[in-house]
Amino acid sequence: GENVEQHPSTLSVQEGDSAVIKCTYSDSASNYFPWYKQELGKRPQLIIDIRSNVGEKKDQRIAVTLNKTAKHFSLHITETQPEDSAVYFCAAIIGNTGNQFYFGTGTSLTVIP
Amino acid sequence: DTEVTQTPKHLVMGMTNKKSLKCEQHMGHRAMYWYKQKAKKPPELMFVYSYEKLSINESVPSRFSPECPNSSLLNLHLHALQPEDSALYLCASSQRTGAPQYFGPGTRLLVL
Repeated sequence: GENVEQHPSTLSVQEGDSAVIKCTYSDSASNYFPWYKQELGKRPQLIIDIRSNVGEKKDQRIAVTLNKTAKHFSLHITETQPEDSAVYFCAAIIGNTGNQFYFGTGTSLTVIP
Repeated sequence: DTEVTQTPKHLVMGMTNKKSLKCEQHMGHRAMYWYKQKAKKPPELMFVYSYEKLSINESVPSRFSPECPNSSLLNLHLHALQPEDSALYLCASSQRTGAPQYFGPGTRLLVL
């Protein structure tokens, strides 16, 4: 199966600074990479995703980049705000194995006001 | 309706009890999922239903029994659970397998 590694496990940034979370995957057949944000006591929410035929995608302060050759993808949050504080999970899907999600281990982001 | 709903929000049960968790979506999604999530860990996939048929069963103990009565509903029947089964149980749905998944709020289960 797929193995998704996520770093760092915890991240603290000052409000207004940028935050970057990185994930690597092992199976070159992975073709879809979503990112989820989970606030304390709440459900995981899809915040951005990217498919393997695209190198970068941006949505306001959030962007995701994908390097298929190196098998890694990253979440970039600019101008961080306290409400960005949450646990972020990356995931990878292998299209030809039942389309199962493989989640990373999560990054706990704290934005310090 | 653009949400996945789950009931109950909280559940406390003894090891000899039988209970059921319910999940509902009205987005026309044809894939539905059960996940188990422990504190500070990623969701762990338990079951996948695609077009109301069980397509993935991740070696889950038989004390967990899924059911998909129709394309909008997903149940998880619980029987003779162990304290280590205490966790947040999340339901999710997607248009099809491999498409973006949308999670319900979860049922927080405590087994005494």
